[in-house]
Amino acid sequence: DTEVTQTPKHLVMGMTNKKSLKCEQHMGHRAMYWYKQKAKKPPELMFVYSYEKLSINESVPSRFSPECPNSSLLNLHLHALQPEDSALYLCASSHQTDTQYFGPGTRLTVL
Amino acid sequence: DAKTTQPPSMDCAEGRAANLPCNHSTISGNEYVYWYRQIHSQGPQYIIHGLKNNETNEMASLIITEDRKSSTLILPHATLRDTAVYYCIVRADSGGSNYKLTFGKGTLLTVNP
Repeated sequence: DTEVTQTPKHLVMGMTNKKSLKCEQHMGHRAMYWYKQKAKKPPELMFVYSYEKLSINESVPSRFSPECPNSSLLNLHLHALQPEDSALYLCASSHQTDTQYFGPGTRLTVL
Repeated sequence: DAKTTQPPSMDCAEGRAANLPCNHSTISGNEYVYWYRQIHSQGPQYIIHGLKNNETNEMASLIITEDRKSSTLILPHATLRDTAVYYCIVRADSGGSNYKLTFGKGTLLTVNP
């Protein structure tokens, strides 16, 4: 089983809203990732968690706040987003630095 | 990580083999070649990866040249469901910085009936 699940599938939010994206995997992977993908562009890495600790932050604005409450869950808290933050947000997981497996993504629209 | 060069688009007839090339002339000795694909609006799907030897799994075959400067992903019998953007990525598999997958622009493969 190489399944990574993400909720919600679609999210529409205003610029003053606070919302969260959720990601879950039960493969025993200890590395989890958030990627952002704008339309017609390749995915770009945002954050990496390794053993529930933030390992990489690719200079992401503070309006995006990641959280890894346990080894199976990864959240991305959103606050005061801008319309240009509208994108497909992808979660992935891996066994350390091995092959990454991606979830289906959350399509975010900021109005 | 080494950069890769892929054609922006390719066409293939349904039932025929699809051969997708990738150049990675600056690849280092410890870097693997990974292939992912992304069907429209879905998450990237892992296909295959290799270091030196050719690899085959239930989805595809990966042929890496002896000098490792290029590779070809082969889908032996393409179907309409194989229409997707295919990404070739080179990445070392060890070391703290190598969590990162750097996606290029990929190749849009269109399988035609």
